[in-house]
Amino acid sequence: ILNVEQSPQSLHVQEGDSTNFTCSFPSSNFYALHWYRWETAKSPEALFVMTLNGDEKKKGRISATLNTKEGYSYLYIKGSQPEDSATYLCAMDNYGQNFVFGPGTRLSVLP
Amino acid sequence: KAGVTQTPRYLIKTRGQQVTLSCSPISGHRSVSWYQQTPGQGLQFLFEYFSETQRNKGNFPGRFSGRQFSNSRSEMNVSTLELGDSALYLCASSLDSKYEQYFGPGTRLTVT
Repeated sequence: ILNVEQSPQSLHVQEGDSTNFTCSFPSSNFYALHWYRWETAKSPEALFVMTLNGDEKKKGRISATLNTKEGYSYLYIKGSQPEDSATYLCAMDNYGQNFVFGPGTRLSVLP
Repeated sequence: KAGVTQTPRYLIKTRGQQVTLSCSPISGHRSVSWYQQTPGQGLQFLFEYFSETQRNKGNFPGRFSGRQFSNSRSEMNVSTLELGDSALYLCASSLDSKYEQYFGPGTRLTVT
């Protein structure tokens, strides 16, 4: 059974702070790593899909890196804003076998 | 471009009944995946369909089944409903694996 972990479980930061969280996954049979942003009462929103070791992706103030050899990905948010408050989910695509989500990191950005 | 749509949005069923949920993907997307979200278990993968074939399957009992039509619309069926099947069921479409998934608004199923 695949186990995808995320840390921390929750995070409170002040507006303007930069923050980062971690997604850990088994490195065997890796196919792709997805990051999502999920606001309360809305559907998950795709942020990044990462496939290659060393991948770095950026969307505005949010960026992510991927290390498939050691099985981790970091998500960074620069200059957090209250509208960044959400749960950030990662999911590992183990092609042909399963698609497993982590438990998420709940971010609260205080004004 | 229209987003992913799911019908119905809300559903109440009793134990033992069966239910069919529908998902219409974004035009041009051939991959449709289904997920179950419960407070205790988080978001769990049910299955993925691509070009009318089930390509991946999560760890759910055989009471959960699905299919995909030639127009990429997908249905999910749950037979012999149990109380524990009460959940938010989300579908997501994408061009294929390694592409971003776009989620629908979900169907909230309550089993009484």
